[in-house]
Amino acid sequence: DTEVTQTPKHLVMGMTNKKSLKCEQHMGHRAMYWYKQKAKKPPELMFVYSYEKLSINESVPSRFSPECPNSSLLNLHLHALQPEDSALYLCASSLRLSTDTQYFGPGTRLTVL
Amino acid sequence: AQSVTQLGSHVSVSEGALVLLRCNYSSSVPPYLFWYVQYPNQGLQLLLKYTSAATLVKGINGFEAEFKKSETSFHLTKPSAHMSDAAEYFCAVTTNQAGTALIFGKGTTLSVSS
Repeated sequence: DTEVTQTPKHLVMGMTNKKSLKCEQHMGHRAMYWYKQKAKKPPELMFVYSYEKLSINESVPSRFSPECPNSSLLNLHLHALQPEDSALYLCASSLRLSTDTQYFGPGTRLTVL
Repeated sequence: AQSVTQLGSHVSVSEGALVLLRCNYSSSVPPYLFWYVQYPNQGLQLLLKYTSAATLVKGINGFEAEFKKSETSFHLTKPSAHMSDAAEYFCAVTTNQAGTALIFGKGTTLSVSS
């Protein structure tokens, strides 16, 4: 099973709202990733967790706050977002933070009004 | 630093024709190369991966890619296109150096006409 699940599938929020995106995998992977993807563009790396510790933060604004409560779960907390933050947010996981294949979830389509 | 260049942002083929999507990489150390496919409003699905075990890599859905070090290329091919192959294709590179992220190319949109 190489499944990464993400909820919700779609999310519409106002600029003053607080919401969270959830990602889950049960493959025993110890590296998990958040990517942001705009239309017709490649995914842009936001955060990487390795063994539940934040390993890479690609200078993402503080209105995005990641959390890794355990080895299977990854959250992305959203607060005071801007309309330009509207995008597809993809979660991925890999066995380790290395050359191991990253497996992607279906994404959350976020619209900020 | 590593990088990937995908030549051609849009490729159009007829059903049954050869599919060729081009990818050139730059890396100062041995690369690990990937091809992913993305259907509309979906996540990325791994097509195949090069890890230096074999230069010709076979993937899912009839796709394959050949690693050519002399040409720094990793082009994706499929002998006969199917309508269901229409999607966005991304080439990506990483290395085994600590802290190296997966670097994506800009993507190629494949259209298949009947």
